[in-house]
Amino acid sequence: DAGVIQSPRHEVTEMGQEVTLRCKPISGHNSLFWYRQTMMRGLELLIYFNNNVPIDDSGMPEDRFSAKMPNASFSTLKIQPSEPRDSAVYFCASSLFRQASGELFFGEGSRLTVL
Amino acid sequence: AQSVTQLGSHVSVSEGALVLLRCNYSSSVPPYLFWYVQYPNQGLQLLLKYTSAATLVKGINGFEAEFKKSETSFHLTKPSAHMSDAAEYFCAVSAYNQGGKLIFGQGTELSVKP
Repeated sequence: DAGVIQSPRHEVTEMGQEVTLRCKPISGHNSLFWYRQTMMRGLELLIYFNNNVPIDDSGMPEDRFSAKMPNASFSTLKIQPSEPRDSAVYFCASSLFRQASGELFFGEGSRLTVL
Repeated sequence: AQSVTQLGSHVSVSEGALVLLRCNYSSSVPPYLFWYVQYPNQGLQLLLKYTSAATLVKGINGFEAEFKKSETSFHLTKPSAHMSDAAEYFCAVSAYNQGGKLIFGQGTELSVKP
């Protein structure tokens, strides 16, 4: 079975541009998580969905960030407008929600550089 | 609220030596605890997890961890390091009332010297 698929793997953009990161979770998983990894702040949970519904978006840093999950097989994380401090690796992970003890399966990440 | 503290951002061992990576947690409810490994330019992979069954948990690649409630610790060990173990290791905590989300520690980079 294919793992979590993220695209693009690398994105270089200029400040002010819109960035859209995409994620396809593992088929059958019903929870999806977006994390951001930086040297300074480590791995931060941005938002997560259960059954396509956003449950907790308290980690979304600003209104410039938005995430959607229109169906069980696709999610996007959008940054508009982007800023240099958004440069990071963004990870998507999915799991089969089962009393919080389930394993998260991570994609390979999208490395974003904002110039 | 839950949190995880990993002691030591960088650990260096010789090949064949004991690996010990430290993790302490804070949780107001019984925790679920995880260790993940991240190789360069890759996502995170699960090494092992504790979910209130046996306190000594065995994982992949010869790693194991022991849950000690009295010490609020979940340290990761491996008796004999291999060069291929060089990577970054993350401890994470969750709980039954957290919807499956994981809170990660800052990570420990493990270097293995020949």
